[in-house]
Amino acid sequence: KQEVTQIPAALSVPEGENLVLNCSFTDSAIYNLQWFRQDPGKGLTSLLLIQSSQREQTSGRLNASLDKSSGRSTLYIAASQPGDSATYLCAVPDYNTNAGKSTFGDGTTLTVKP
Amino acid sequence: KAGVTQTPRYLIKTRGQQVTLSCSPISGHRSVSWYQQTPGQGLQFLFEYFSETQRNKGNFPGRFSGRQFSNSRSEMNVSTLELGDSALYLCASSLAGVDEQFFGPGTRLTVL
Repeated sequence: KQEVTQIPAALSVPEGENLVLNCSFTDSAIYNLQWFRQDPGKGLTSLLLIQSSQREQTSGRLNASLDKSSGRSTLYIAASQPGDSATYLCAVPDYNTNAGKSTFGDGTTLTVKP
Repeated sequence: KAGVTQTPRYLIKTRGQQVTLSCSPISGHRSVSWYQQTPGQGLQFLFEYFSETQRNKGNFPGRFSGRQFSNSRSEMNVSTLELGDSALYLCASSLAGVDEQFFGPGTRLTVL
């Protein structure tokens, strides 16, 4: 059974800092790994999808890496801004059932102070 | 391209009632997954539908059910509501179920 862990649970940084969020998964047999952002009371916004054959993916100030062998992914945010404050979740689709179920981490709540 | 829509956005019900939530996926997407999100349990998988067939089901009681229509729109129903059913219900659409997922804004259900 896939388990996904995100550390730290919360992170507070001053504006302008570069930061790294971590995501660990127990089963290295994955199709892909997806990073999301969630604002309070809202749905999830897709940030980046890394396929299992890729090592990293970039979008603007965001860079996600994937190391399947060690069961780890990181999300790097450059030059953080107060608007980046949100909860960040990573998710891994279930490999065995091949049917629309993803396991999510509990998220890292990021606060960027002006 | 329109995103995933969910209706209604907010619901207040009392214990014992039933409720139906709706999700319209992105055009062309055939997979719709439902999740329950609570502060204590995080995101929990409810079920997934693909081409009108339930392919996968999470560990929820039979009071939680769903269906998918030929246009890929999906509904979930919760009967005999309990206080613990209060949560944000999210649906996600994707092309085939293991590719990139796109979430709707959610339905906030409060059971009194």
